[in-house]
Amino acid sequence: QQQVKQSPQSLIVQKGGIPIINCAYENTAFDYFPWYQQFPGKGPALLIAIRPDVSEKKEGRFTISFNKSAKQFSLHIMDSQPGDSATYFCAASIDSGGSNYKLTFGKGTLLTVNP
Amino acid sequence: DAGVIQSPRHEVTEMGQEVTLRCKPISGHNSLFWYRQTMMRGLELLIYFNNNVPIDDSGMPEDRFSAKMPNASFSTLKIQPSEPRDSAVYFCASTLYQGDYGYTFGSGTRLTVV
Repeated sequence: QQQVKQSPQSLIVQKGGIPIINCAYENTAFDYFPWYQQFPGKGPALLIAIRPDVSEKKEGRFTISFNKSAKQFSLHIMDSQPGDSATYFCAASIDSGGSNYKLTFGKGTLLTVNP
Repeated sequence: DAGVIQSPRHEVTEMGQEVTLRCKPISGHNSLFWYRQTMMRGLELLIYFNNNVPIDDSGMPEDRFSAKMPNASFSTLKIQPSEPRDSAVYFCASTLYQGDYGYTFGSGTRLTVV
């Protein structure tokens, strides 16, 4: 059972474009939604995260939009650069009481930003 | 801090052999996760530990896989006997509190079973 569905699988944009990656989840108990960025030969690294009490979060050129009623969230990359070319993963988890629960990852989106 | 350290980086083994993957989490982190990454299935959680105790091993594919965390600074993932379908990149990750810090992943072990 895939609990976090991510689309598209791959995305190509020109430098300066705004790629958008979408994710949908099923488990209403999820309350923590991070995005991870992975470069070839490296492990994923936390990029930005959101909790469902807000509908949007910005960190630099990266923005998460969150729609609790639709159980969807998305990543927008403003003014994309060739250095942003990587695989992006959305994820979801239960985050309560300070304990660590398992992250469920989407299948990833391979982003290519052409110069 | 050197980050999460995994060894070996690459492992090529013959079908039927035992394989042991190793992980040293970041000092002070209290949770450790083993993930497997393939093109077809993406990142799959195999098992995770909180304070050295296994919490959820429902992702371990079958009895050929086992994981241990004898202390806070070391964990192993063992496959015995290995099969070609086990070929993948295996990641270890650790965290103190994922809600604030996220996971820190190691660089992974690329396992090839021939």
